[in-house]
Amino acid sequence: ELKVEQNPLFLSMQEGKNYTIYCNYSTTSDRLYWYRQDPGKSLESLFVLLSNGAVKQEGRLMASLDTKARLSTLHITAAVHDLSATYFCAADGGAQKLVFGQGTRLTINP
Amino acid sequence: DVKVTQSSRYLVKRTGEKVFLECVQDMDHENMFWYRQDPGLGLRLIYFSYDVKMKEKGDIPEGYSVSREKKERFSLILESASTNQTSMYLCASSSLGLGYNYGYTFGSGTRLTVV
Repeated sequence: ELKVEQNPLFLSMQEGKNYTIYCNYSTTSDRLYWYRQDPGKSLESLFVLLSNGAVKQEGRLMASLDTKARLSTLHITAAVHDLSATYFCAADGGAQKLVFGQGTRLTINP
Repeated sequence: DVKVTQSSRYLVKRTGEKVFLECVQDMDHENMFWYRQDPGLGLRLIYFSYDVKMKEKGDIPEGYSVSREKKERFSLILESASTNQTSMYLCASSSLGLGYNYGYTFGSGTRLTVV
Protein backbone atom coordinates (compact mmCIF):
# COMPACT_ATOMS: atom_id res chain seq x y z
CA GLU A 1 0.00 0.00 0.00
CA LEU A 2 1.39 3.35 -1.03
CA LYS A 3 1.97 5.85 1.76
CA VAL A 4 3.07 9.43 1.25
CA GLU A 5 4.72 11.44 4.00
CA GLN A 6 5.63 15.10 4.00
CA ASN A 7 7.92 16.97 6.30
CA PRO A 8 7.82 19.29 7.90
CA LEU A 9 4.08 19.51 8.55
CA PHE A 10 4.37 23.08 9.77
CA LEU A 11 6.90 25.63 8.60
CA SER A 12 7.22 29.22 9.68
CA MET A 13 9.82 31.24 7.91
CA GLN A 14 10.82 34.80 7.19
CA GLU A 15 10.55 36.56 3.91
CA GLY A 16 13.68 36.32 1.83
CA LYS A 17 14.76 32.93 3.19
CA ASN A 18 15.06 29.64 1.34
CA TYR A 19 13.56 26.37 2.44
CA THR A 20 12.63 22.90 1.23
CA ILE A 21 9.60 20.70 1.78
CA TYR A 22 10.20 16.97 1.48
CA CYS A 23 7.84 14.33 0.18
CA ASN A 24 8.68 10.66 0.66
CA TYR A 25 6.61 7.82 -0.70
CA SER A 26 6.75 4.16 0.21
CA THR A 27 6.39 2.21 -3.05
CA THR A 28 7.30 2.71 -6.66
CA SER A 29 5.58 5.62 -8.31
CA ASP A 30 6.67 7.23 -11.56
CA ARG A 31 4.64 10.37 -11.12
CA LEU A 32 4.43 12.98 -8.42
CA TYR A 33 2.14 15.95 -8.10
CA TRP A 34 2.27 19.13 -6.03
CA TYR A 35 -0.76 21.17 -5.06
CA ARG A 36 -1.32 24.40 -3.20
CA GLN A 37 -4.28 25.14 -0.96
CA ASP A 38 -5.13 28.58 0.42
CA PRO A 39 -7.23 28.77 3.60
CA GLY A 40 -10.84 27.87 2.93
CA LYS A 41 -10.11 27.17 -0.71
CA SER A 42 -9.67 24.10 -2.85
CA LEU A 43 -6.47 22.58 -4.19
CA GLU A 44 -4.69 24.15 -7.11
CA SER A 45 -2.25 22.18 -9.24
CA LEU A 46 1.32 23.47 -9.09
CA PHE A 47 3.56 20.86 -10.67
CA VAL A 48 3.31 17.49 -12.35
CA LEU A 49 6.56 15.47 -12.33
CA LEU A 50 6.37 12.59 -14.75
CA SER A 51 9.79 10.96 -14.69
CA ASN A 52 12.91 10.40 -12.67
CA GLY A 53 15.06 13.51 -12.54
CA ALA A 54 12.21 15.80 -13.56
CA VAL A 55 12.61 19.38 -12.41
CA LYS A 56 10.02 22.10 -12.82
CA GLN A 57 10.12 25.72 -11.78
CA GLU A 58 7.50 28.41 -11.48
CA GLY A 59 8.58 31.71 -10.00
CA ARG A 60 10.10 31.11 -6.56
CA LEU A 61 9.04 27.46 -6.43
CA MET A 62 10.99 24.55 -7.83
CA ALA A 63 10.00 20.90 -7.63
CA SER A 64 12.11 17.84 -8.35
CA LEU A 65 11.64 14.09 -8.40
CA ASP A 66 14.02 11.24 -7.58
CA THR A 67 12.12 8.01 -8.17
CA LYS A 68 15.00 5.86 -6.99
CA ALA A 69 15.05 7.55 -3.60
CA ARG A 70 11.24 7.82 -3.67
CA LEU A 71 11.62 11.47 -2.85
CA SER A 72 10.30 14.73 -4.21
CA THR A 73 11.24 18.16 -2.98
CA LEU A 74 9.59 21.54 -3.24
CA HIS A 75 12.14 24.30 -2.86
CA ILE A 76 11.17 27.85 -2.02
CA THR A 77 13.62 30.57 -2.95
CA ALA A 78 13.57 34.02 -1.32
CA ALA A 79 10.13 33.45 0.16
CA VAL A 80 7.45 36.13 -0.04
CA HIS A 81 4.26 36.42 2.00
CA ASP A 82 2.06 35.45 -0.96
CA LEU A 83 3.49 31.93 -0.82
CA SER A 84 1.86 31.30 2.56
CA ALA A 85 -0.44 28.30 2.02
CA THR A 86 -0.67 24.57 2.61
CA TYR A 87 1.25 22.46 0.12
CA PHE A 88 0.37 18.88 -0.68
CA CYS A 89 2.28 16.29 -2.60
CA ALA A 90 0.56 13.27 -4.13
CA ALA A 91 1.94 10.13 -5.70
CA ASP A 92 0.39 7.91 -8.32
CA GLY A 93 -1.24 5.04 -6.44
CA GLY A 94 -2.08 3.10 -9.58
CA ALA A 95 -5.43 2.80 -11.37
CA GLN A 96 -5.34 6.57 -11.78
CA LYS A 97 -5.72 7.21 -8.08
CA LEU A 98 -3.58 9.71 -6.23
CA VAL A 99 -2.42 9.22 -2.66
CA PHE A 100 -1.82 12.47 -0.81
CA GLY A 101 0.58 13.48 1.91
CA GLN A 102 -0.62 15.18 5.09
CA GLY A 103 0.17 18.63 3.78
CA THR A 104 2.73 21.22 4.89
CA ARG A 105 1.35 24.44 6.28
CA LEU A 106 3.74 27.20 5.29
CA THR A 107 3.62 30.60 6.97
CA ILE A 108 5.88 33.35 5.71
CA ASN A 109 6.36 36.28 8.02
CA PRO A 110 7.44 39.77 6.97
CA ASP B 1 -12.21 27.82 -17.99
CA VAL B 2 -12.68 24.22 -16.98
CA LYS B 3 -14.56 23.62 -13.80
CA VAL B 4 -15.53 21.20 -11.13
CA THR B 5 -18.50 22.59 -9.26
CA GLN B 6 -19.68 21.46 -5.86
CA SER B 7 -23.22 22.53 -5.11
CA SER B 8 -22.69 23.78 -1.56
CA ARG B 9 -19.77 25.51 0.14
CA TYR B 10 -21.17 25.06 3.64
CA LEU B 11 -23.73 22.63 5.01
CA VAL B 12 -25.03 22.02 8.51
CA LYS B 13 -26.98 18.81 9.04
CA ARG B 14 -28.37 16.93 11.99
CA THR B 15 -27.22 13.53 13.16
CA GLY B 16 -29.13 10.79 11.37
CA GLU B 17 -30.07 12.87 8.33
CA LYS B 18 -29.42 11.61 4.82
CA VAL B 19 -27.05 14.03 3.13
CA PHE B 20 -26.35 14.51 -0.57
CA LEU B 21 -23.20 16.24 -1.80
CA GLU B 22 -23.26 17.03 -5.51
CA CYS B 23 -20.37 17.47 -7.89
CA VAL B 24 -20.54 18.43 -11.57
CA GLN B 25 -17.66 18.76 -14.03
CA ASP B 26 -17.75 20.28 -17.49
CA MET B 27 -14.55 18.78 -18.88
CA ASP B 28 -15.97 15.49 -20.15
CA HIS B 29 -13.64 13.69 -17.74
CA GLU B 30 -14.12 9.97 -17.25
CA ASN B 31 -12.74 9.79 -13.72
CA MET B 32 -14.31 11.37 -10.68
CA PHE B 33 -13.30 11.18 -7.03
CA TRP B 34 -14.54 12.08 -3.59
CA TYR B 35 -12.05 12.87 -0.82
CA ARG B 36 -12.45 14.10 2.68
CA GLN B 37 -9.90 16.41 4.22
CA ASP B 38 -9.19 16.53 7.94
CA PRO B 39 -6.41 18.42 9.77
CA GLY B 40 -3.25 16.36 10.05
CA LEU B 41 -4.64 13.54 7.90
CA GLY B 42 -4.37 15.06 4.47
CA LEU B 43 -6.86 13.91 1.86
CA ARG B 44 -8.40 10.46 2.11
CA LEU B 45 -10.19 8.79 -0.76
CA ILE B 46 -13.80 7.82 -0.09
CA TYR B 47 -15.06 6.61 -3.49
CA PHE B 48 -14.18 7.00 -7.10
CA SER B 49 -15.69 6.27 -10.48
CA TYR B 50 -14.17 5.60 -13.89
CA ASP B 51 -17.41 5.66 -15.84
CA VAL B 52 -21.12 6.15 -15.66
CA LYS B 53 -22.86 3.79 -13.25
CA MET B 54 -19.60 2.40 -12.00
CA LYS B 55 -18.06 3.00 -8.60
CA GLU B 56 -15.14 1.75 -6.57
CA LYS B 57 -14.47 1.98 -2.86
CA GLY B 58 -11.57 4.06 -1.73
CA ASP B 59 -9.79 3.90 1.60
CA ILE B 60 -12.62 5.05 3.86
CA PRO B 61 -15.98 4.14 2.27
CA GLU B 62 -17.81 3.20 5.46
CA GLY B 63 -20.89 5.33 6.04
CA TYR B 64 -20.89 6.66 2.47
CA SER B 65 -22.30 5.70 -0.88
CA VAL B 66 -22.11 7.31 -4.32
CA SER B 67 -24.11 7.66 -7.47
CA ARG B 68 -23.00 8.37 -11.01
CA GLU B 69 -25.96 8.36 -13.37
CA LYS B 70 -24.44 10.83 -15.82
CA LYS B 71 -20.84 11.30 -16.85
CA GLU B 72 -20.64 14.85 -15.58
CA ARG B 73 -22.20 14.29 -12.15
CA PHE B 74 -20.90 12.36 -9.16
CA SER B 75 -22.88 12.43 -5.94
CA LEU B 76 -21.71 11.49 -2.46
CA ILE B 77 -24.37 10.25 -0.07
CA LEU B 78 -24.13 10.06 3.68
CA GLU B 79 -26.80 7.51 4.51
CA SER B 80 -27.16 8.56 8.16
CA ALA B 81 -24.93 11.47 9.04
CA SER B 82 -22.84 11.24 12.18
CA THR B 83 -20.70 13.81 13.96
CA ASN B 84 -17.49 12.03 12.91
CA GLN B 85 -18.38 12.85 9.32
CA THR B 86 -17.92 16.54 10.00
CA SER B 87 -15.22 17.43 7.50
CA MET B 88 -14.25 19.20 4.31
CA TYR B 89 -15.32 17.16 1.27
CA LEU B 90 -13.49 17.62 -2.00
CA CYS B 91 -14.58 16.39 -5.40
CA ALA B 92 -12.04 15.96 -8.20
CA SER B 93 -12.00 14.78 -11.77
CA SER B 94 -9.39 13.67 -14.27
CA SER B 95 -9.23 12.47 -17.82
CA LEU B 96 -8.50 8.83 -18.50
CA GLY B 97 -4.85 8.55 -19.45
CA LEU B 98 -4.34 12.28 -19.59
CA GLY B 99 -4.87 12.31 -15.85
CA TYR B 100 -1.28 11.18 -15.58
CA ASN B 101 -0.10 14.34 -17.26
CA TYR B 102 -2.37 16.81 -15.58
CA GLY B 103 -3.42 15.25 -12.31
CA TYR B 104 -6.76 16.15 -10.85
CA THR B 105 -8.95 19.21 -11.10
CA PHE B 106 -10.59 19.91 -7.77
CA GLY B 107 -13.86 21.52 -6.85
CA SER B 108 -14.05 24.29 -4.29
CA GLY B 109 -15.02 21.92 -1.49
CA THR B 110 -18.02 21.50 0.82
CA ARG B 111 -17.51 22.06 4.50
CA LEU B 112 -20.04 19.80 6.23
CA THR B 113 -20.88 20.13 9.90
CA VAL B 114 -23.01 17.43 11.52
CA VAL B 115 -24.60 18.47 14.81
